[in-house]
Amino acid sequence: SQQGEEDPQALSIQEGENATMNCSYKTSINNLQWYRQNSGRGLVHLILIRSNEREKHSGRLRVTLDTSKKSSSLLITASRAADTASYFCATDTGGSYIPTFGRGTSLIVHP
Amino acid sequence: DAGVIQSPRHEVTEMGQEVTLRCKPISGHDYLFWYRQTMMRGLELLIYFNNNVPIDDSGMPEDRFSAKMPNASFSTLKIQPSEPRDSAVYFCASSPTGGTNTEAFFGQGTRLTVV
Repeated sequence: SQQGEEDPQALSIQEGENATMNCSYKTSINNLQWYRQNSGRGLVHLILIRSNEREKHSGRLRVTLDTSKKSSSLLITASRAADTASYFCATDTGGSYIPTFGRGTSLIVHP
Repeated sequence: DAGVIQSPRHEVTEMGQEVTLRCKPISGHDYLFWYRQTMMRGLELLIYFNNNVPIDDSGMPEDRFSAKMPNASFSTLKIQPSEPRDSAVYFCASSPTGGTNTEAFFGQGTRLTVV
């Protein structure tokens, strides 16, 4: 079974609103990554957060990590129609650094 | 570098036929991954290589699936014989170190349809 799972499965918002998606995982990790997948394309890396970090920013992206709750969140501020995509978290299992992915959150941003 | 290159982009085949998917990783990347994506199961890791050597193939669903990496610039994933339940998008990815401490670079994927 997957180590990480994203929530919600689908999210629909209006342009300009913030989008928040979550990732929960089962066992301790070394690092957690977020990726984006546009329709019909491969995954593209967005941001990496290490297990000793609590928050990271990259442009309009903000990622938090709560290791006590085994969860992470990805916040996209001031969303744009171009942010429409699926978002995946990738985790390792602590003992192995190999990334495994969840099923993703499908985000639709309406113009 | 042109990124990770997969071929073909689309493949439609009849049940029972052999299917070969191809991948050219980014030059200098020591790790290569094969993933399968379906609506039901999401993105599953099938197998990964380190320096052309298969390290973990526990994700390969059945003996009908096999993967090779004869050199640092080429890998194949073969399904023989193919079945309709193999229909999915297959992704190849490469990374410098293989772990979650660096990003993985994905190809565009091969959409396989077995009829």
